Amino acid sequence: EVQLVESGGGLVQPGRSLKLSCVASGFTFSNYGMNWIRQAPGKGLEWVAYISSGSSYIYYAETVKGRFTISRDNAKNTLYLQMTSLRSEDTALYYCARRGTTVGGFDYWGQGVMVTVSS
Amino acid sequence: DVQMTQSLSYLAASPGESVSISCKASKSISNYLAWYQQKPGEAYKLLIYSGSTLQSGTPSRFSGSGSGTDFTLTIRSLEPEDFGLYYCQQYYEKPLTFGSGTKLEIK
Repeated sequence: EVQLVESGGGLVQPGRSLKLSCVASGFTFSNYGMNWIRQAPGKGLEWVAYISSGSSYIYYAETVKGRFTISRDNAKNTLYLQMTSLRSEDTALYYCARRGTTVGGFDYWGQGVMVTVSS
Repeated sequence: DVQMTQSLSYLAASPGESVSISCKASKSISNYLAWYQQKPGEAYKLLIYSGSTLQSGTPSRFSGSGSGTDFTLTIRSLEPEDFGLYYCQQYYEKPLTFGSGTKLEIK
């Protein structure tokens, strides 16, 4: 069974940093591109970042470019999101999601981890 | 960026009825469109990709149609477990973007 479990969220002050993790199981992690997607309270979904299976291709939303870094450790089956210079507008539930290889879209999602940026 | 518009934010229907949820792209995205379902306490679930292809495990009462800019998710003969939130998403180009969601509730 495919599982994606996020962790690392919490309350952080504006301007500080936080690192999210997503541990994958139930599939060959190194074969799949992965994404971070977020949802602010009461708002819709916003794609944040993508990393290809071998980390060769990385893309970011403009709203986080230069502040967030997506990375992965295929030996540990773990996806990361390093977030720096956090702002109140980064407050959201952050999901990791697998990019389908033969299917379009995100074929598996985690349950999400909450990040609250507030003084 | 490709803007995805779901014109209905809320829809109420009764079990057994059929409903359609629309999604419009601000430019042509061919058929690079996915539909997701979210139910409280559960992870998002991919229902349909390529505009009309059912993901493995999606019940056949779900169908998707459209290409270019206009897409529709149809659910025939609603079951109680179908109530929840539905989002469309384009993967034609980055940034990947989502519709604002349609909440399907029991009437």
